[in-house]
Amino acid sequence: DSGVTQTPKHLITATGQRVTLRCSPRSGDLSVYWYQQSLDQGLQFLIQYYNGEERAKGNILERFSAQQFPDLHSELNLSSLELGDSALYFCASSVTVNTEAFFGQGTRLTVV
Amino acid sequence: GNSVTQMEGPVTLSEEAFLTINCTYTATGYPSLFWYVQYPGEGLQLLLKATKADDKGSNKGFEATYRKETTSFHLEKGSVQVSDSAVYFCALSDPGMDSSYKLIFGSGTRLLVRP
Repeated sequence: DSGVTQTPKHLITATGQRVTLRCSPRSGDLSVYWYQQSLDQGLQFLIQYYNGEERAKGNILERFSAQQFPDLHSELNLSSLELGDSALYFCASSVTVNTEAFFGQGTRLTVV
Repeated sequence: GNSVTQMEGPVTLSEEAFLTINCTYTATGYPSLFWYVQYPGEGLQLLLKATKADDKGSNKGFEATYRKETTSFHLEKGSVQVSDSAVYFCALSDPGMDSSYKLIFGSGTRLLVRP
């Protein structure tokens, strides 16, 4: 158990809908990363937050957004969902921006 | 830009066979290199890492050496077990201009070890 908790584990929703994925980092970790794992794109970095502030952005679609709250948990919001958004979404956390990141078990999103 | 290329799988071996999974990288700076493992239905676990040239990372019988001259970080294990069956990802972290230690992953190599 990495100490990073993601909920829900599985999510099935219809095209056009909006979902929120939640991540609780390890106790004491200030940095949160979101990654998407899909069959065609592999594992891709989406976005990073550090202590509530956006730190870096990767290949994140405009339909997607994220935030990190004062208690350091993070949410990834996916809207106007398309079939191609079906993927495993991972959250990872680290103590600071340049230390080893620990991954959660992921949320499997299926868009039908 | 930065990228990681690893050998395509699946790699199928018999128990106690020698394992090599090739990984090469392209980076503009001086990256740290990692191998992550993903067991079925689970998240990613860090297997080993190396932060500078000629460093050797090792864990659970797996080893990889950071070779700057060949931009490689090949994963090796002398004798694989059935329990090593998983998907292995090579990754790099190069802070670059945004000082973010985000990971850039290779495409993953599935390893299947037969009894």
